[in-house]
Amino acid sequence: DVVMTQFPLSLPVTLGQPASISCRSSRNLAHSDGNTYLHWFHQRPGQSPRRLIYKVSKRDSGVPDRFSGSGSGTDFTLKISRVEAEDVGTYYCLQGTYWPTFGQGTKVEIK
Amino acid sequence: EVQMVESGGGLVQPGGSLRLSCAASGFLVTNMYMNWVRQAPGKGLEWVSIIYLGGDTYYAESVKGRFTISRDNSKNTVYLQMDLLRSDDTAVYYCASDGDPNNAGYWGRGTRVTVSS
Repeated sequence: DVVMTQFPLSLPVTLGQPASISCRSSRNLAHSDGNTYLHWFHQRPGQSPRRLIYKVSKRDSGVPDRFSGSGSGTDFTLKISRVEAEDVGTYYCLQGTYWPTFGQGTKVEIK
Repeated sequence: EVQMVESGGGLVQPGGSLRLSCAASGFLVTNMYMNWVRQAPGKGLEWVSIIYLGGDTYYAESVKGRFTISRDNSKNTVYLQMDLLRSDDTAVYYCASDGDPNNAGYWGRGTRVTVSS
């Protein structure tokens, strides 16, 4: 299976400040159809995951524009331009180019 | 509105069986890729199984030969038959769907499965 490695695993953040999470794949995620199937999810404690970003950089409906995704090949990044209190929780990257695999998760908490 | 409601979880002994259900509304299960994803207590997410639009099915190596995904178009419901359950199958099982394969834009609230004697 493709191994997805996220860092950091824990991210204390200050409200109003930016935050960044990285995700590295053990294989190139560019598909032969021209798409790169790298997606980002947010999960609050006790809740189901919610997808924020799909295909590297496309924001899901209703997702604030302070969230953005970038990257290519094996290296990807999720950025939050200004962290708000509701952004706490765990963030996961998911690759869907091969059998789907998630990163280990990055726990975001307020300092 | 796309909605999925899982049911069928519970406590089962090692070696036992359970059948999970995912009742969908707001869309047809034949028009979406339907998936089961699980999360062990305090752990991350693991993709378990997929049923494609045409009915092809795929499984994680950890459940292959023990779990079976299926769908009942008349009930607009997807199932996960889980046999030969082990303690490491203990998890919350989520039903997830998307218009693309290997993706999960929509999630249910999950059903908890505990395998213990």
